[in-house]
Amino acid sequence: AQSVTQLDSHVSVSEGTPVLLRCNYSSSYSPSLFWYVQHPNKGLQLLLKYTSAATLVKGINGFEAEFKKSETSFHLTKPSAHMSDAAEYFCVVSKMSGGSYIPTFGRGTSLIVHP
Amino acid sequence: AAGVIQSPRHLIKEKRETATLKCYPIPRHDTVYWYQQGPGQDPQFLISFYEKMQSDKGSIPDRFSAQQFSDYHSELNMSSLELGDSALYFCASSPTRASGNTIYFGEGSWLTVV
Repeated sequence: AQSVTQLDSHVSVSEGTPVLLRCNYSSSYSPSLFWYVQHPNKGLQLLLKYTSAATLVKGINGFEAEFKKSETSFHLTKPSAHMSDAAEYFCVVSKMSGGSYIPTFGRGTSLIVHP
Repeated sequence: AAGVIQSPRHLIKEKRETATLKCYPIPRHDTVYWYQQGPGQDPQFLISFYEKMQSDKGSIPDRFSAQQFSDYHSELNMSSLELGDSALYFCASSPTRASGNTIYFGEGSWLTVV
């Protein structure tokens, strides 16, 4: 079975400092992994995805994530936080169910950015 | 580029009433998913359709039903509404059911049950 665990429910950073949002996955084989962002009262926007190509994945808005099979991790990073990055971030794995793959969400990490 | 369209964006219903949410997937996407996101919760998978046939079921209550029509739009029908059904309901679509395919989400429909 595949699942994801987001290790922090809240992460607080100052504007201009690095961001690290942690995600670990469990999977019996190489999974497809995604990061989505949800701003308050908004829908879910795809930041980036990993599908067994390059292990370092670059996404939108300066975010990137590195797939580390040995650590079963897919942490999301950004060199310098911006106030507009304040949002809820979800790590998602495609979970096999019946005949198809169902996106399964982690519990989410709330990113707080201080001026 | 066209996105997933959901309607209505906001809906207020009383307990025991019925509500219908609509979803228009991205053109040429053959898979549609419905998710429910309660306050402060992660989205929970309800049900999916592939080529207009029900594909997978998640934690969808028996009071809820869904279908996908010939034009690929989908509707989520919720009956005997309860206060706990108040949530943000997402529809998403994907080009196929395969593992690596990106799922594109709509803006969601806010349902408030009073």
